Amino acid sequence: DVKVTQSSRYLVKRTGEKVFLECVQDMDHENMFWYRQDPGLGLRLIYFSYDVKMKEKGDIPEGYSVSREKKERFSLILESASTNQTSMYLCASSTLEGWQYFGPGTRLTVT
Amino acid sequence: DAKTTQPTSMDCAEGRAANLPCNHSTISGNEYVYWYRQIHSQGPQYIIHGLKNNETNEMASLIITEDRKSSTLILPHATLRDTAVYYCIVRVESGGFKTIFGAGTRLFVKA
Repeated sequence: DVKVTQSSRYLVKRTGEKVFLECVQDMDHENMFWYRQDPGLGLRLIYFSYDVKMKEKGDIPEGYSVSREKKERFSLILESASTNQTSMYLCASSTLEGWQYFGPGTRLTVT
Repeated sequence: DAKTTQPTSMDCAEGRAANLPCNHSTISGNEYVYWYRQIHSQGPQYIIHGLKNNETNEMASLIITEDRKSSTLILPHATLRDTAVYYCIVRVESGGFKTIFGAGTRLFVKA
């Protein structure tokens, strides 16, 4: 069975903290994605990566950075967390041609 | 990528077929129709996709009109566990990073 795992299901951080969200896929997929999901706004793409060490900005990259040092792992970094980054964060992976497989999500609360 | 229009919500009786419509009148010739669903507090899950022929898998059937301007996802025997938000997306097959999730249709399956 294909698997995308995320490091935490729930996370609570303080304003100004540096936050790392980790995502691992076991399908040898080229593409990996980070989205955030907020009520009424749907899923919005933050960053995606089409290869190791390659990254592209999505629709809302401000306040975030990413790292992809290995094919199976894609990290989302909040350099200085703010309350408006409280959200559900979803990681996904896909082949070049195929559909996306999503992880279970991380619900991040910034206080 | 083409924009899609879906009803905000629908109800279906358990055991009956659920027919979820999607309009994509500006779809291009090389764009596929994809369907995902998201059960509460989980990541989206791929269901099915197609170009112009009708498609069926173990989860659902996809009916695409001859002019490709609309499609219908059919869950043949809906269960309570099919209660979810269903997203209809159109994109080129190799354009995974351009997967744009709209608001979707919230399907309520009732006993």
